[in-house]
Amino acid sequence: GEKVEQHESTLSVREGDSAVINCTYTDTASSYFPWYKQEAGKSLHFVIDIRSNVDRKQSQRLIVLLDKKAKRFSLHITATQPEDSAIYFCAAVMSNYNVLYFGSGTKLTVEP
Amino acid sequence: EAAVTQSPRNKVAVTGGKVTLSCNQTNNHNNMYWYRQDTGHGLRLIHYSYGAGSTEKGDIPDGYKASRPSQENFSLILELATPSQTSVYFCASGDKTNNYAEQFFGPGTRLTVL
Repeated sequence: GEKVEQHESTLSVREGDSAVINCTYTDTASSYFPWYKQEAGKSLHFVIDIRSNVDRKQSQRLIVLLDKKAKRFSLHITATQPEDSAIYFCAAVMSNYNVLYFGSGTKLTVEP
Repeated sequence: EAAVTQSPRNKVAVTGGKVTLSCNQTNNHNNMYWYRQDTGHGLRLIHYSYGAGSTEKGDIPDGYKASRPSQENFSLILELATPSQTSVYFCASGDKTNNYAEQFFGPGTRLTVL
């Protein structure tokens, strides 16, 4: 099956700086790449996704980049705020399939 | 907003005992999932279901059973709990939209097996 590797287990940035979280996947059939956020003591919720027919997607301060050749995708959080502090999970799924394969999570800390 | 609930929220069990974790969703989603979350491993899929009456094995099904008696309910059963099953368990529901599956997560159940 698919294997998703999330490269940064922890990341610390200063408020206002950008944060970048990188993930790689193994299966070229993967075509949908969502990101989930988990705040301390809470459940996960969806934040942004990208599909394989594009290489960049932005939603407010969140940017996702996809490099299909390298089988790599990344989440960029610009102008970070303390409320961005959380664990972020990347995931991958194959088209017409229902199972998400998650990375191991990156704990982001935004320091004031 | 999607609604997935889990019960119990916290559970302490003894080794060798039976544990049932319950999940209910009111989204009318076909797919439901059980994950466990452990530090360093992220989320690992235990079992999932495509609809009432169906269960499928995920990546780490050993020691777990699942039951999907209805569209709304999906249970995870530990017949003989072991300390290695101490973890936080998340249920999720989802459905294909435009050929992709977005998942909505419950609040989690913290299980401690002594």
